[in-house]
Amino acid sequence: KNEVEQSPQNLTAQEGEFITINCSYSVGISALHWLQQHPGGGIVSLFMLSSGKKKHGRLIATINIQEKHSSLHITASHPRDSAVYICAVNSNSGYALNFGKGTSLLVTP
Amino acid sequence: SQTIHQWPATLVQPVGSPLSLECTVEGTSNPNLYWYRQAAGRGLQLLFYSVGIGQISSEVPQNLSASRPQDRQFILSSKKLLLSDSGFYLCAWSVGRNTEAFFGQGTRLTVV
Repeated sequence: KNEVEQSPQNLTAQEGEFITINCSYSVGISALHWLQQHPGGGIVSLFMLSSGKKKHGRLIATINIQEKHSSLHITASHPRDSAVYICAVNSNSGYALNFGKGTSLLVTP
Repeated sequence: SQTIHQWPATLVQPVGSPLSLECTVEGTSNPNLYWYRQAAGRGLQLLFYSVGIGQISSEVPQNLSASRPQDRQFILSSKKLLLSDSGFYLCAWSVGRNTEAFFGQGTRLTVV
């Protein structure tokens, strides 16, 4: 069983919709990351958080350490938000990131 | 500012041929360096990480090896590629264990 689980696996939304992507993890962590991977493959870091909530533009990330759960929200979604969104964690025991399988988001006009 | 370069972007290699993927980081010193692989339909998996020159740790047994000949250079190699080595390879760096990670553009390797 993967230590990091994301849902949904695939998501299609209409432009303007509010989107939520969920991430659950089963290990103790020191930080959680939300990443964005575009079709060409390059990955961009969106957020790194260890508690509470962070906001950047139309993106909001929240984390509940007790419930071992994080959400990524996109408000007023736009076709350019179409990408794969990946949740990853720094576990307390390892050096590198443990990744979820990603959520493929398609926003249609 | 810090940048990370990874090349080549795409590569098609025959089974049994050698492999060398290179990653370099600019604008920082003594970074932690990582090689990840993304196989089709799966999440990114750590292959190797390095916390200093000549220091390589491997997470999974495999047909690949890594080297760090200079502080900001990380190389992924294979002597003989297998079909199962096909995938998307990403280099990344971070300042420390629990800090933001920065990724290269990746190399899509197809072994035929």
